[in-house]
Amino acid sequence: GENVEQHPSTLSVQEGDSAVIKCTYSDSASNYFPWYKQELGKGPQLIIDIRSNVGEKKDQRIAVTLNKTAKHFSLHITETQPEDSAVYFCAATLRGNNRLAFGKGNQVVVIP
Amino acid sequence: GAVVSQHPSRVICKSGTSVKIECRSLDFQATTMFWYRQFPKQSLMLMATSNEGSKATYEQGVEKDKFLINHASLTLSTLTVTSAHPEDSSFYICSARDLRGGAETQYFGPGTRLLVL
Repeated sequence: GENVEQHPSTLSVQEGDSAVIKCTYSDSASNYFPWYKQELGKGPQLIIDIRSNVGEKKDQRIAVTLNKTAKHFSLHITETQPEDSAVYFCAATLRGNNRLAFGKGNQVVVIP
Repeated sequence: GAVVSQHPSRVICKSGTSVKIECRSLDFQATTMFWYRQFPKQSLMLMATSNEGSKATYEQGVEKDKFLINHASLTLSTLTVTSAHPEDSSFYICSARDLRGGAETQYFGPGTRLLVL
């Protein structure tokens, strides 16, 4: 099955700086890669996703890049704000397959 | 994005009792819903896949007689923790798969915190 690894486990950034979280996946057939943000005590919230037919997708301060050859995808947060502090999970799956394979999560701390 | 609700958000029960958690897709129909369990500072662990009108598919190591899942309609799935014990205390989260536009996107509920005394 698919195996997703996420690095680093914890990331601290100064407010206004950029944050980058990288995930690698094992199954070259995977073609859908969502990112979720989870605040303490809440359920994960989908923030952005990308499909394998594109290499980059952007939504305001958030962007995701995908490198199919290297089998990795990254979340980029620009102009970080304190409210960006949360745990971010990456996931991968094959469309049509029910199961999302999640990374272990990354704690992002934005320092005011 | 789509909205998924869960009820209750928090429940405390005595050991040996059963607890039912509801998961609803509010603005879309979901033929497939998922139930996850999450321990503190850990990732999401898939427990089972709930399919409308059919039996749920459980992950290896998850007791189907302990975690009863019912998906009676296209907008509602329920998870019943039977004869709950302290080790069942956890954060339970459901998600629903939104197939509109061919997206196949999973949206999560807010989670249910279960504490078994």
